[in-house]
Amino acid sequence: GAGVSQSPRYKVAKRGQDVALRCDPISGHVSLFWYQQALGQGPEFLTYFQNEAQLDKSGLPSDRFFAERPEGSVSTLKIQRTQQEDSAVYLCASSSSRGEAFFGQGTRLTVV
Amino acid sequence: GNSVTQMEGPVTLSEEAFLTINCTYTATGYPSLFWYVQYPGEGLQLLLKATKADDKGSNKGFEATYRKETTSFHLEKGSVQVSDSAVYFCARTGAGLGNNRLAFGKGNQVVVIP
Repeated sequence: GAGVSQSPRYKVAKRGQDVALRCDPISGHVSLFWYQQALGQGPEFLTYFQNEAQLDKSGLPSDRFFAERPEGSVSTLKIQRTQQEDSAVYLCASSSSRGEAFFGQGTRLTVV
Repeated sequence: GNSVTQMEGPVTLSEEAFLTINCTYTATGYPSLFWYVQYPGEGLQLLLKATKADDKGSNKGFEATYRKETTSFHLEKGSVQVSDSAVYFCARTGAGLGNNRLAFGKGNQVVVIP
């Protein structure tokens, strides 16, 4: 497809469960970002990759959050031992060097 | 604290009315400024942008002017349509933020009534 694809679109997890969220960026885009959007709020930065290198992870809220992009394309955001406060929409965006960021539709995570 | 502030609350207006959504920012230096729109069931889309002071971004009848003196980037449209119903986010990059990451405001839900 032409756009950024995220899966799953919806995820319900029991508290304490581990989850993995996937992002397929636009082909050829070197930059990839993850954002967290709580209900009624704007997206908040989590982490940034340039190709396979994670250059900035300053926004990750705790060491339960981990992201990877091993081959510089698909990225996975993993959340271990999920808590209720992790409930949010997780957005992925990709861009070419210094170009416009294109966003996926997001994964809505609900922790029960 | 948040470096991008949008006016509080949803905005409800009638078709063909004038729309303004206020946005102010705090930054050292000269950030780039953006408006993103999120239509129901869709991802965030770039609506318009401005990269330096006094630039005007425009798209689909929407406009916003980068005002350095008031640190503002208010979004305006002269005559809204029902299809403009969406959530609108003001955002900035640069000026202290690394790697082209975006800092967003809270967003404003706009509902246009026929």
